[in-house]
Amino acid sequence: EPEVTQTPSHQVTQMGQEVILRCVPISNHLYFYWYRQILGQKVEFLVSFYNNEISEKSEIFDDQFSVERPDGSNFTLKIRSTKLEDSAMYFCASKGSSYNSPLHFGNGTRLTVT
Amino acid sequence: GENVEQHPSTLSVQEGDSAVIKCTYSDSASNYFPWYKQELGKRPQLIIDIRSNVGEKKDQRIAVTLNKTAKHFSLHITETQPEDSAVYFCAASPDSSYKLIFGSGTRLLVRP
Repeated sequence: EPEVTQTPSHQVTQMGQEVILRCVPISNHLYFYWYRQILGQKVEFLVSFYNNEISEKSEIFDDQFSVERPDGSNFTLKIRSTKLEDSAMYFCASKGSSYNSPLHFGNGTRLTVT
Repeated sequence: GENVEQHPSTLSVQEGDSAVIKCTYSDSASNYFPWYKQELGKRPQLIIDIRSNVGEKKDQRIAVTLNKTAKHFSLHITETQPEDSAVYFCAASPDSSYKLIFGSGTRLLVRP
């Protein structure tokens, strides 16, 4: 079964540094998302991306965050200047075009900001 | 915007018993309600979903019911097994292509 893949699985960075989290969505999917989950809390929506542009973003997704689909396969989340509170598990997800197509999550990247 | 409340936060049952997790939502435009199971350190995995044109859906030991008038939906797991132990999240969305708003999760423990 095809999967959403994310790299790295764990990223440690210092406060103020830039990080890029990488995702390869399932190949024929058209809708892409980033969610985050602070340890022990619920999954929170960050941003959705369709047709090469952001379709919706949450209040968490401020000017420090950006997404990009640099080629036909990768989907990246960049945090420009990380803060301690950015420490979380970041999940990429993708969905096919069919109405009944479910959302598929990747295994996540655990970001630790020190 | 949409807000999803989920109860209980923790649930402990004896193996073989049933478990019920309940969620309420606020946005009457929501019409897609998936349930995800998340094992420790792993990704959320879809276990069942329901759309607003259906009141109930069943898949083996798992069932979901939806009451659109009352804006609540529930997950029912029968004949629970230790491997059902995990955190379960409900979610709601106006459309399956849109963002999902998740509940706060229920930690289910099935005691052998």
